[in-house]
Amino acid sequence: GDSVTQMEGPVTLSEEAFLTINCTYTATGYPSLFWYVQYPGEGLQLLLKATKADDKGSNKGFEATYRKETTSFHLEKGSVQVSDSAVYFCALILSGNTPLVFGKGTRLSVIA
Amino acid sequence: NAGVTQTPKFQVLKTGQSMTLQCAQDMNHNSMYWYRQDPGMGLRLIYYSASEGTTDKGEVPNGYNVSRLNKREFSLRLESAAPSQTSVYFCASNFGTGATRGYTFGSGTRLTVV
Repeated sequence: GDSVTQMEGPVTLSEEAFLTINCTYTATGYPSLFWYVQYPGEGLQLLLKATKADDKGSNKGFEATYRKETTSFHLEKGSVQVSDSAVYFCALILSGNTPLVFGKGTRLSVIA
Repeated sequence: NAGVTQTPKFQVLKTGQSMTLQCAQDMNHNSMYWYRQDPGMGLRLIYYSASEGTTDKGEVPNGYNVSRLNKREFSLRLESAAPSQTSVYFCASNFGTGATRGYTFGSGTRLTVV
């Protein structure tokens, strides 16, 4: 079935470090891809998305590019802040009546 | 504020008790979902409702029932709670199951079964 695999955490970085969280997917068709973020004690929020190959999603300094050839959607940020500490989920959805499929999440801790 | 509202936020149950988790959205979304979140497991889909009047099983439906009461409301019922159902439950909604706008999530219900 369709699935998403994320790098395991936790990831601990110093403030202003470069962030990469790897995400790869397996899908029977051509999915739309998402990154969600969950801050402590809260629900998930959509961070960014890409709906077709080579699209780049971006928001709040985060970026991810839909790479069909490597079935990947890695999340990057050039300079992380303490406020970026959260759990990040990669997810996919196929067209039609199939719900969102999530990866297991990656916890990021940024220290000052 | 527009969004997805879940009640209660916290609940402790004894094994064998029943309860209903409530979810309501005011965005005129067609589809609604129930997920559970467990450490190391990510979010797993319990049930979903693609449109008013329909419900479908997700990845982990055993021990749960759902009701799509109307377009706004989608409840999750535990008939006989078990410790394995200790989890954080999230309700979500969007315009359609295949829609690319993403989902809107509630803030969650933290359930402990003792």
